[in-house]
Amino acid sequence: NAGVTQTPKFQVLKTGQSMTLQCAQDMNHNSMYWYRQDPGMGLRLIYYSASEGTTDKGEVPNGYNVSRLNKREFSLRLESAAPSQTSVYFCASSQTDEAFFGQGTRLTVV
Amino acid sequence: GENVEQHPSTLSVQEGDSAVIKCTYSDSASNYFPWYKQELGKRPQLIIDIRSNVGEKKDQRIAVTLNKTAKHFSLHITETQPEDSAVYFCAASYGDYKLSFGAGTTVTVRA
Repeated sequence: NAGVTQTPKFQVLKTGQSMTLQCAQDMNHNSMYWYRQDPGMGLRLIYYSASEGTTDKGEVPNGYNVSRLNKREFSLRLESAAPSQTSVYFCASSQTDEAFFGQGTRLTVV
Repeated sequence: GENVEQHPSTLSVQEGDSAVIKCTYSDSASNYFPWYKQELGKRPQLIIDIRSNVGEKKDQRIAVTLNKTAKHFSLHITETQPEDSAVYFCAASYGDYKLSFGAGTTVTVRA
């Protein structure tokens, strides 16, 4: 039982490049989330999906897009990366209250 | 949305002593308050949670208290051990199980 799996674990991008962060969960959870973690700021919600086929903005959605491909998978896309998007990105899923997190993706934009 | 404030940002305690972390929240509709522990380079993991219909919950050496009137909740760790050293985050759920997190507290347990 893998839980929540994110790929890649590390990524370096040049300013203006695009990329997609992948997330998959095998717990049959309805809800999935993308958070970013920056020093001294905790985790901030970028986008979430309350169920398959729905997505909504969180606190900091600018510069990102998401796709809930199916119940298992929720991807995060950066269309034109900026240095301000340097962060650690966590995907999470939940069925009710408890959120289970992936291992994180450390993204650096130079 | 919800705004969660967490204090202190760093906490150093002697092994065996207690540690207390406090959080306040702004949205009176929030009804679920988890605490996550994050070790260096690892993912956040739930250690304890409390719902709005409960005032206190305990699990071995950790306990959480909630004061809905004052809109604050606290984490208490007793008999601290070196493995308790980590970053702790409080959070409040504000609908659709979305979590708003505090900024985190770095706890260091001195041997």
